[in-house]
Amino acid sequence: DAKTTQPPSMDCAEGRAANLPCNHSTISGNEYVYWYRQIHSQGPQYIIHGLKNNETNEMASLIITEDRKSSTLILPHATLRDTAVYYCIVRADTGTASKLTFGTGTRLQVTL
Amino acid sequence: ETGVTQSPTHLIKTRGQQVTLRCSSQSGHNTVSWYQQALGQGPQFIFQYYREEENGRGNFPPRFSGLQFPNYSSELNVNALELDDSALYLCASSLPGPIGYNEQFFGPGTRLTVL
Repeated sequence: DAKTTQPPSMDCAEGRAANLPCNHSTISGNEYVYWYRQIHSQGPQYIIHGLKNNETNEMASLIITEDRKSSTLILPHATLRDTAVYYCIVRADTGTASKLTFGTGTRLQVTL
Repeated sequence: ETGVTQSPTHLIKTRGQQVTLRCSSQSGHNTVSWYQQALGQGPQFIFQYYREEENGRGNFPPRFSGLQFPNYSSELNVNALELDDSALYLCASSLPGPIGYNEQFFGPGTRLTVL
């Protein structure tokens, strides 16, 4: 699986959009970009994933650059409950061997 | 729909002892993965079980072993505990299949402290 690079920490004011960047310059054509988050002392929670196209769900939007070497997770209206560590993961589709390779992630602090 | 559950929530052991951690997968999920998360680090993949057989292993020594039962629940066993085994142990369940259909659902974890 390709390596990802994320800033160690970010701050965001409540109600504003949180934009979390991720670099994955060695990504291969069959590798997907996944985002998980981990709220303190809980298990990681799936947020969104994508291959080439931008994706949106009820939690967030994922913007992937045309060359696929970087992506941005967007939380459109951050709340205090979005304070967490956010992990960007690149993963190939290997059928049942679906391990996730986590880095150290970005610690997002949402403030009043 | 029942989520992933793990037991116990906390555990304290001494060096050299053995420990067994348990995981019940989400309803209908037949694939279970185990991860170790040291303080301040991201989770590290230990191994995965699919249909009661190990199906992929990370860079962990043989003293880390596991089982999966016919009801898809799973155990993680660690022998000869070392101080560095102190960590949060996470279990995740999923369905096998192409990406987009095998999202992993994590349990709350078991916090193991080795003294």
